[in-house]
Amino acid sequence: AQSVTQLDSQVPVFEEAPVELRCNYSSSVSVYLFWYVQYPNQGLQLLLKYLSGSTLVKGINGFEAEFNKSQTSFHLRKPSVHISDTAEYFCAVSETLGSQGNLIFGKGTKLSVKP
Amino acid sequence: EPEVTQTPSHQVTQMGQEVILRCVPISNHLYFYWYRQILGQKVEFLVSFYNNEISEKSEIFDDQFSVERPDGSNFTLKIRSTKLEDSAMYFCASSPSHGELFFGEGSRLTVL
Repeated sequence: AQSVTQLDSQVPVFEEAPVELRCNYSSSVSVYLFWYVQYPNQGLQLLLKYLSGSTLVKGINGFEAEFNKSQTSFHLRKPSVHISDTAEYFCAVSETLGSQGNLIFGKGTKLSVKP
Repeated sequence: EPEVTQTPSHQVTQMGQEVILRCVPISNHLYFYWYRQILGQKVEFLVSFYNNEISEKSEIFDDQFSVERPDGSNFTLKIRSTKLEDSAMYFCASSPSHGELFFGEGSRLTVL
């Protein structure tokens, strides 16, 4: 069965510092990987996704993530964060796409950017 | 930019009452989903819907839950007799064929 582990429930960081939010998954088959962001009082917004091809994927707002199959990881990174990046970030995995697949989410990591 | 819209944004109900949460998916999408997030916990899959029928559902989606697409635009989640533990944020999502889910802003359900 699929599962997603986000080891850090909270990550405090100063503005303009780099950040890495960790995500590990378990699955017996090939997976599709996603990072979603949830700003306060808002829904989930897709940051980036890995479906196939290059293992380094770039998303919105300067975020990127690297798929590492041997380590079953999909860590999210940003070289320089802004106050506006304060939000909760969810890693998600799916073994299939479309109607036959559903997303399994991690517990989320709350990123808090301080001035 | 097209978006998924959900109503109501917040509903308070008494235990045992029926609740209907409404969603308008993005118009050309084919796959529809409901997820929920109990406060402080992870986002959990409830059900997916395609071609006017449920394609997959989780253990959470028991007989108290039902979904319907009554017309060409709305996608509803009904909880027949709410329990305290149904209190959560419920997210609707829709997807085109290539797997990216677009989420609404959620409907917060509070069961007293």
